[in-house]
Amino acid sequence: GESVGLHLPTLSVQEGDNSIINCAYSNSASDYFIWYKQESGKGPQFIIDIRSNMDKRQGQRVTVLLNKTVKHLSLQIAATQPGDSAVYFCAETKAGTALIFGKGTTLSVSS
Amino acid sequence: KAGVTQTPRYLIKTRGQQVTLSCSPISGHRSVSWYQQTPGQGLQFLFEYFSETQRNKGNFPGRFSGRQFSNSRSEMNVSTLELGDSALYLCASSLMASGREQFFGPGTRLTVL
Repeated sequence: GESVGLHLPTLSVQEGDNSIINCAYSNSASDYFIWYKQESGKGPQFIIDIRSNMDKRQGQRVTVLLNKTVKHLSLQIAATQPGDSAVYFCAETKAGTALIFGKGTTLSVSS
Repeated sequence: KAGVTQTPRYLIKTRGQQVTLSCSPISGHRSVSWYQQTPGQGLQFLFEYFSETQRNKGNFPGRFSGRQFSNSRSEMNVSTLELGDSALYLCASSLMASGREQFFGPGTRLTVL
């Protein structure tokens, strides 16, 4: 079946740097793409989503970019902080169907 | 507002046994989804319930089942446990069916010996 995957399993950055987490998806029929963050010992937490007819959406310190031509999704975190250390998952969904998650990227922020 | 709660948090079972996990969604949320999380397979969708009806089902064997009660609380059951069922089982609730913004509980860590 089709699934959402990530380019890199781990990413290490310095505090204050900008982080970019990438994701490649295969289902061009998906309506929404979503980013979740999972801290150690906790369940995933919704960060931001983007509709398939958009190419950019900004939140607080985060920006999601969608490139449908190459089926690529990215999450940019500005001024990364130690509290941003977590596993980041991209997910996709089509109306009425379940979320399909990618395998995750572990972001480590050192100060 | 209280978050999603899952009980128990940890569970150890032996092969062949069965197990029941419980999930209480955020008040007012009528959709509850269950996921299995393992290091190798990541987060995999099990099933979703909305207003006591199963809406979606993932690709898991029939040993995995669930139900939802009229108060939106949900349970999932795994029968005839196998070693490969060891995982973190996450429950998530949302206001709408198949919601994009799902609120996850801390999970139940199941170990099968």
